[in-house]
Formats: sequence, C-alpha cells, structure tokens
Amino acid sequence: DQQVKQNSPSLSVQEGRISILNCDYTNSMFDYFLWYKKYPAEGPTFLISISSIKDKNEDGRFTVFLNKSAKHLSLHIVPSQPGDSAVYFCAANNNAGNMLTFGGGTRLMVKP
Amino acid sequence: EPEVTQTPSHQVTQMGQEVILRCVPISNHLYFYWYRQILGQKVEFLVSFYNNEISEKSEIFDDQFSVERPDGSNFTLKIRSTKLEDSAMYFCASRKSGVIYEQYFGPGTRLTVT
Repeated sequence: DQQVKQNSPSLSVQEGRISILNCDYTNSMFDYFLWYKKYPAEGPTFLISISSIKDKNEDGRFTVFLNKSAKHLSLHIVPSQPGDSAVYFCAANNNAGNMLTFGGGTRLMVKP
Repeated sequence: EPEVTQTPSHQVTQMGQEVILRCVPISNHLYFYWYRQILGQKVEFLVSFYNNEISEKSEIFDDQFSVERPDGSNFTLKIRSTKLEDSAMYFCASRKSGVIYEQYFGPGTRLTVT
C-alpha cells in the first residue's frame, strides 16, 4: 500500500542553496498534508502543513507547494543550513484527522 | 513549549510477555494516537483515541493490542503477548480538537522482543 510516496531516499545540498523534497500521493480523499522532520532516536517533529484548498503555505525558510491535479507536493527549504540535515517525512490526512499516512522519508544532507 | 513524553525510552522483553508503553500527551490536546516504525520501514498508524474510546484502528491493531487513558494525563498502549515482529519504535502523538490536524509526536519507545 503506497498511498504516499517519497521517491528520493536521499538528497545532498550545499549550505545556502535550496533543498526541494518531493512527495506524491494516490488517494484523492487526502485533504491535508504535513511535513515532519526526524532526527535519529527522536520522534517526528512537525514542520509545516497545507490544506487541500490552498496551493502554497510559507513559514520562514520553509514553503510547501501542493499540486492537486498532479497529486504532488513539495517542501522547499531556503536557504538550507547544516542543522536541516535529517530525514523528512510527508504525511497525508483524511477523515477529519484520525490518522496520518506517511511516506517513506527522504534523508537530507546539507554540506557546509 | 509543551511536549509529548514517553516512557520507557527502551524496553526489552521476551516473546509472549505483556508490555505497557506509556505516554503523556500535551495537556490541552484531546486526540491521541499510537504509531509504530519497524526498522527500515514507514511510520504506520496503529490507533486513534478520542473521548475515551477508540475512533479508528488499523489492521495491525489486533486483539493483542489495547489502549487506555487511565487518568487525566496518561495514555497507554498494551501488547498482551509480544511477538518478535512487534519489535519497533512506538510513537505516541496528540493533537488539539477542531480543524487543527497537526499531530505532535513523542520521542518514541524502542521495543525489542527477544
């Protein structure tokens, strides 16, 4: 069951440049999308979210874009910092928030 | 900033034993969740809990699993008779009511079944 997919298992970016993490989904009932960041031996930390009625949401260095027709979302981090190095998960929600369906994660490495 | 806390951080148990994983959700949150992540796999939903009852559960959450909110602060996951394949990180999460769907996760309990 691959309702939420992150096709890139890893991404390496130079400090100061843009990081773009991608996520695709198949279930058209998903109506809310979230990005989480995870360090080893810690729980996922909420970063940013977007409702399906919007196509963009911005919070500081983080921007999430949603393309509903393509069932695709992306997380942009600008500028990238070494402290951003972590695994990033996208997650999707339907049914009034009762469960999140996670992608497999993308490991981001930001090189100084 | 309020956080979800979980105890213990690591639990080792023998196959067939009962384990209880504990969580203290954020105090003004009303929805509570358990997820698990088997090593190398995705984070998977187990169960959601609201108003003192299960609101949704996944196929993984079979009769061996149960949840409870024994008092106003704790939220527990019990596995009655552990199997080797129950070895995973177990995450508790909570969220506010209404249309705020962001779930906040605890640091996890690593369960090792030998």
